[in-house]
Amino acid sequence: EIVLTQSPGTLSLSPGERATLSCRASQSVRSSFLAWYQQRPGQAPSLLIYGASTRATGIPDRFSGSGSGTDFTLTISRLEPEDFAVYYCQQFENSLWTFGKGTKVEIK
Amino acid sequence: QVQLVQSGAEVKKPGASLKVACKVSGNTLAEVATHWVRQAPGKGLEWMGGIDPEDGEIFYAQELQGRLTMTEDTSTDTAYMELSSLKSEDTAVYYCARFDMRRDAFDIWGQGTTVTVSS
Repeated sequence: EIVLTQSPGTLSLSPGERATLSCRASQSVRSSFLAWYQQRPGQAPSLLIYGASTRATGIPDRFSGSGSGTDFTLTISRLEPEDFAVYYCQQFENSLWTFGKGTKVEIK
Repeated sequence: QVQLVQSGAEVKKPGASLKVACKVSGNTLAEVATHWVRQAPGKGLEWMGGIDPEDGEIFYAQELQGRLTMTEDTSTDTAYMELSSLKSEDTAVYYCARFDMRRDAFDIWGQGTTVTVSS
């Protein structure tokens, strides 16, 4: 089973700042199978990025994904108030789906 | 557009069984590869099981094998998740989600069903 390790656990930033979130896999992941989700308090997760770098429908361009192999990154170029949330990476391989433990982006 | 609407909150005793429904609207169940994800209080997302859209086979997370069963009723476009021998650690919000083959990601989520297991 591929384990996804997200870091940091919590990121304390101010609105307008840049956020860089890391997702590291225990073995190589096909980029097409790496996705990122946002979860706001009390809500279901929502798809942000799929295929490691493609924004889902309606996602603003301040969100970007990059990476390959075992190292992937989600970047939020300038944090808006609604971006303070928890972010999860997720992959699937050999009919097993796994999530990272999440990174919480909180207001500093 | 496609929506997933889940059944309401449940309170169960340890050892009991749970069945949560996920009704598909805006499409037929046959067109939706349904997965289940749960989230314990204050914790992250845990994939439980789902349908591989390539071949329709159902796969379960290893730690839930033997207790988890996913079924479908195509006449009502409703997917079901059944979890038996409930423990307090099964207390969580349970989500159904569509795995979209075009994006290889979970693009549509149900609203969640809160399940409390307590004596």
